Formats: sequence, structure tokens, C-alpha cells
Amino acid sequence: DTGVSQNPRHKITKRGQNVTFRCDPISEHNRLYWYRQTLGQGPEFLTYFQNEAQLEKSRLLSDRFSAERPKGSFSTLEIQRTEQGDSAMYLCASSLVQLNEQFFGPGTRLTVL
Amino acid sequence: DAKTTQPNSMESNEEEPVHLPCNHSTISGTDYIHWYRQLPSQGPEYVIHGLTSNVNNRMASLAIAEDRKSSTLILHRATLRDAAVYYCTLAYSGAGSYQLTFGKGTKLSVIP
Repeated sequence: DTGVSQNPRHKITKRGQNVTFRCDPISEHNRLYWYRQTLGQGPEFLTYFQNEAQLEKSRLLSDRFSAERPKGSFSTLEIQRTEQGDSAMYLCASSLVQLNEQFFGPGTRLTVL
Repeated sequence: DAKTTQPNSMESNEEEPVHLPCNHSTISGTDYIHWYRQLPSQGPEYVIHGLTSNVNNRMASLAIAEDRKSSTLILHRATLRDAAVYYCTLAYSGAGSYQLTFGKGTKLSVIP
């Protein structure tokens, strides 16, 4: 399968713990996006990479959130000191050429107890 | 950021055409209109996109109003596999990212 993969698919953690998610984009795609989706809502943009450079972050993104994309390949999204409000589906997407379709992974569902 | 407004839900009979409307009255001149759909427990899947002209592909057609303040996704013959949440999104060019701005979507039910 050469699609976007995300790990883990599910994560349950206690409030105050740190969590890290991984996204492996389609290999030749140079653009990578992170979105967050809560129940009944559409995905919400978090941040965007072009190759290894993080070029944009949402104003809504707390400083507890950090993302990296070393060497322009896979990406990680870390949430420090998790809160119950962080419970959501975290989606990763990649694309090759601007304005063309974004390919989404299956997401990581985070539950903060 | 420009917003989209869609009906919460729609129903269609199998093998009949479906017209899914979307309003985006605050769209800017450089925003592309994208449609994605999402099945339960899956990430969104690209359907179609356009800027000003109507577009067709193997999955659907996209009709864009002349003033670009609304658009309609057309599924020519609905199948049970088309039952999903359909999102009308705008590709916002902030820092060249072309991030997608999603609304709440329309849940499409297909009746056999």
C-alpha cells in the first residue's frame, strides 16, 4: 500500500502526559499537512510543511503542540501536557503539486482521560 | 478565512443523480473550491476541484456559479458506496500552503 500511513491508529492517555504521532506521506510528495477533527466537525488545519520546512501554523495551535519533518520525509506531531480538549482525530495529508488533491491518512484517534 | 455552508444532510435514491449545494459567499479570488468525502473511520478522500469553470471527472461534476459564491457537486448516479459525509472546502493560500478550510459537511444517505 503506497498511501499515507499514520501510527498509532489509536492512543489513550492520561491528562498531563505527552504523546507523539507519526505520519508517513506518499514517498514523492513534498507537501505535508496536519489537521485535527472533532466529532461532527470537518477537519481543522493545524500546520503545513514543504519538504523539511514548517511554513505555516494555525493561530489556534497551542504552544503545547509541536511538529517536525526531518529530512522532508516522515513527520511527527507531539502534544505536551495533554488536556481533555485535545481528544480528537489527528489527520495527516500529503500532496505533490499545489492546488492538487491532498491524500489523507486514516488518522490517529486520541483520547485523553 | 472564507467559510462554507452546506446542508447538514441529504437523501438520495440509488441510481438517481444527486446535487449537493455549497455556499461560499466570502470566497476570495484566488481560492480554489475543493470537494472531499469521508467514510466512517477513514480520512477524507478527494473528489474534485475547480476555480471558475465547471469541471468533470470520473467521480463527479462540479458546477460553479458565475459569481463563485456557490457551487454544486453532482453525482450522476448515486450508489450505496457514495454514502458519506461530503465536504465543500476552500483551498486557502496562506504562505503558499493551500490549506483546506472545511465546513461541517453534508451527510449523504443513499436509499436502495
